[in-house]
Amino acid sequence: GQQLNQSPQSMFIQEGEDVSMNCTSSSIFNTWLWYKQDPGEGPVLLIALYKAGELTSNGRLTAQFGITRKDSFLNISASIPSDVGIYFCAGQLFGAGNNRKLIWGLGTSLAVNP
Amino acid sequence: DAGVTQSPTHLIKTRGQHVTLRCSPISGHKSVSWYQQVLGQGPQFIFQYYEKEERGRGNFPDRFSARQFPNYSSELNVNALLLGDSALYLCASSFLQSNYGYTFGSGTRLTVV
Repeated sequence: GQQLNQSPQSMFIQEGEDVSMNCTSSSIFNTWLWYKQDPGEGPVLLIALYKAGELTSNGRLTAQFGITRKDSFLNISASIPSDVGIYFCAGQLFGAGNNRKLIWGLGTSLAVNP
Repeated sequence: DAGVTQSPTHLIKTRGQHVTLRCSPISGHKSVSWYQQVLGQGPQFIFQYYEKEERGRGNFPDRFSARQFPNYSSELNVNALLLGDSALYLCASSFLQSNYGYTFGSGTRLTVV
């Protein structure tokens, strides 16, 4: 199936450090979304981006919609142990029949050492 | 306020069997989407329903089917199960067929043996 290029695949950091991850695509997207998924749970929306160049924050999280509409990044500042989990980017395509499916990255697994 | 609820939470089936997974969207949400998430990968789009009509279908075989009911709940059916169908099946709902982020349920973990 179609997947976005998400990097890094995994990160192991010290508590208090900043984290950066990004997604790239060969396709243009209308919307970029960032989700966090804990084990055994569904993804939870962190940030939604709707316009090229848009920079949006949610607490310690900041994400940007790339100017080319083919990429996005997510930054987490001053990481804490509860930031542990898998972070996914997802791009939304508007298809025929108003289909709005999400195309997902493979995820970035984040581990935080207290 | 209840979120997206899925049932059952876990399921074990034998190859060749049939399975039905259920999803209740957030109250007022009219759009439901189904995704398959294989271990270690991102979710893959299966179906989207809006106002009881199929509005999108991913690259899945005809063994996969779904429907949405008048109360906007949805069922995903998979026939002739294969080992490779083992995955977390996620349901997501949204108020409109919009570009806003969907709210996901906790999923149904299907194991085919």
